[in-house]
Amino acid sequence: QVQLVESGGGVVQPGRSLRLSCAASGFTFNNYTMHWVRQTPDKGLEWVAVISYDGTNIYYTDSVRGRFAISTDSSKTTLYLQMSSLRTDDTAVYYCARDSVGLWLPGFDLWGQGTLVTVSS
Amino acid sequence: EIVLTQSPATLSLSPGERATLSCRASQSVSSSLAWYQQKPGQAPRLVIFDTSKRATGIPPRFSGSGSGTDFTLTISSLEPADFAVYYCQQRTNWPAMYAFGQGTKLEIK
Repeated sequence: QVQLVESGGGVVQPGRSLRLSCAASGFTFNNYTMHWVRQTPDKGLEWVAVISYDGTNIYYTDSVRGRFAISTDSSKTTLYLQMSSLRTDDTAVYYCARDSVGLWLPGFDLWGQGTLVTVSS
Repeated sequence: EIVLTQSPATLSLSPGERATLSCRASQSVSSSLAWYQQKPGQAPRLVIFDTSKRATGIPPRFSGSGSGTDFTLTISSLEPADFAVYYCQQRTNWPAMYAFGQGTKLEIK
């Protein structure tokens, strides 16, 4: 079954760290560029980070650059998001998503179910 | 920074009617735009990519069009399953970054 399953969300205090995981199955993980996208009721959908299929290209949205790190473990077909120095405005549902189009064009064809991260004291 | 503005914010229509959703970019960066459908408690689902191509499993009543800064998602004859929130997405600039519109809620009238 082709799917992405996130885990690792929870409640964390401001300034602390958290690592999200996204386990991929049913497709050749190494062939796809992968993204993290987050969603809040106030700000809607916000793209967070991307890692190219071969790991050579990594980009972040401005608000998380220097605090978050995206990575993959091909042997485990898992995508990660290491989040540090968390702020209250990082509170969101975090989705991992598969890039279907390529060439850095928009179009994510497979999404996980999302994992909720709440940053609160 | 590119901003995507979707209109209307809410669209109230009846099954069988035609829906036209708009997405306007603050500047033209890429001719390629994607549309997503999201239902409560679910992840977004890709509907259209590359402005006018239907994603796998999307019925032909969904169509996309546009260029430059103005894009449209059209649903020719609404089915009950089509009522949801729709988001547009575009790449913003190089290096690769992406923006989403704020969404249009398509509700049953």
